[in-house]
Amino acid sequence: GAVVSQHPSRVICKSGTSVKIECRSLDFQATTMFWYRQFPKQSLMLMATSNEGSKATYEQGVEKDKFLINHASLTLSTLTVTSAHPEDSSFYICSARDRRQGYNEQFFGPGTRLTVL
Amino acid sequence: QKEVEQNSGPLSVPEGAIASLNCTYSDRGSQSFFWYRQYSGKSPELIMSIYSNGDKEDGRFTAQLNKASQYVSLLIRDSQPSDSATYLCASLQGGKLIFGQGTELSVKP
Repeated sequence: GAVVSQHPSRVICKSGTSVKIECRSLDFQATTMFWYRQFPKQSLMLMATSNEGSKATYEQGVEKDKFLINHASLTLSTLTVTSAHPEDSSFYICSARDRRQGYNEQFFGPGTRLTVL
Repeated sequence: QKEVEQNSGPLSVPEGAIASLNCTYSDRGSQSFFWYRQYSGKSPELIMSIYSNGDKEDGRFTAQLNKASQYVSLLIRDSQPSDSATYLCASLQGGKLIFGQGTELSVKP
């Protein structure tokens, strides 16, 4: 399947700082990428849909000023958690859909575990 | 958005047995369905996609789709301890993947 990378894999930061997470599609172009958050023992929660060259679409209840998304190219989307607080500690996972085969298969990056102290 | 339902488990099967994982969905307009495997602490890995009624086989995995009953299943033959993970069922609705809550599978040696 298609390869999606994510960086960093783990980050620990102090409360009030901002953290940037990068998501890259390595062997295909992704006009659309998705950002998810997952808390322990829970399923994935879609935060936003990132569209290349345009503004992201946020799910209800997700603060767009808190979670800044930029999709600068067909292979790179970034999520910036601004002024992070302990309640933002979570597993953040990006995903991209590979449409080369004409299907809708969606592949996930390895995730970023954020801990806010 | 409409729901995707799975039994949360845990489902425990002995090594070598067939594991059967089930999923129902409420959106009759859904056409694309997926099974992901997620190991503890890791991100989901796509293992099967299915778009038409009937069975689709890939190695030890068989996905089954019944659109009339709004039912998707995953069979794992010759289950191995390495298959122990949470299995997520998902349907594509309005361009977004909608996930079930996942079924935890434990394969006992």
